[in-house]
Amino acid sequence: DIQMTQSPSSLSASAGDRVSITCRASQTINNYLHWYQQSPGKAPKLLIYSASRLQSGVPSRFSGSGSGTNFTLTISSLQPEDFATFYCQQTYDTPHTFGQGTNLDIK
Amino acid sequence: QVHLVQSGAEVRKPGASVKVSCEAAGYTLSDYYMHWVRQAPGQGLEWMGWINPNNGGIKYSQKFQGRITMTRDTSISTAYMELSSLTSDDTAVYFCARARDIVASGPFYGMDVWGQGTTVTVS
Repeated sequence: DIQMTQSPSSLSASAGDRVSITCRASQTINNYLHWYQQSPGKAPKLLIYSASRLQSGVPSRFSGSGSGTNFTLTISSLQPEDFATFYCQQTYDTPHTFGQGTNLDIK
Repeated sequence: QVHLVQSGAEVRKPGASVKVSCEAAGYTLSDYYMHWVRQAPGQGLEWMGWINPNNGGIKYSQKFQGRITMTRDTSISTAYMELSSLTSDDTAVYFCARARDIVASGPFYGMDVWGQGTTVTVS
């Protein structure tokens, strides 16, 4: 199975901050990498697909980059509603593994 | 409006089976792959498999091979996930999630519509 490792596992930040979360795959996954946001008690929400494509309806402060094995999710200016847990997922091969998650909370 | 409606919470004894349903609304079930993902309490997301509702093709995570079955009934726009030989480790919220792109593109571009989740408790 392809292992997905996110860093950091947790992050404290303030509204208005710029933050980045990284995701590393144990082997190349081309750009079959997607980012999700999950708030407590809710289903995940697709933010970025294919490494860098912004899902319809998602604010432009979210962006994704990378290819191969190293990927980054960046939030340019944190808003109060952004504090949640973020997951990366690869769909290059099955099982379509997720990273362990990054918990973003308010400093 | 596109959405997925899942069946209600279930409680099962160890060794039993559970079948979760996922009704598609606002689009044609056959037009998009359907994934199933679960989340144990306080844990991360775990991909379980997908079904191609157009032809019934399936792909399961090897972890669940032999005790998971995904099916669909296109006449009522509903996908199903059945898990057998339950243990306490199967206690989780189970989500269905639609693949982002139409079935001809494959299940590779993320999951854009999610059900509300079904809590399964094994005790």
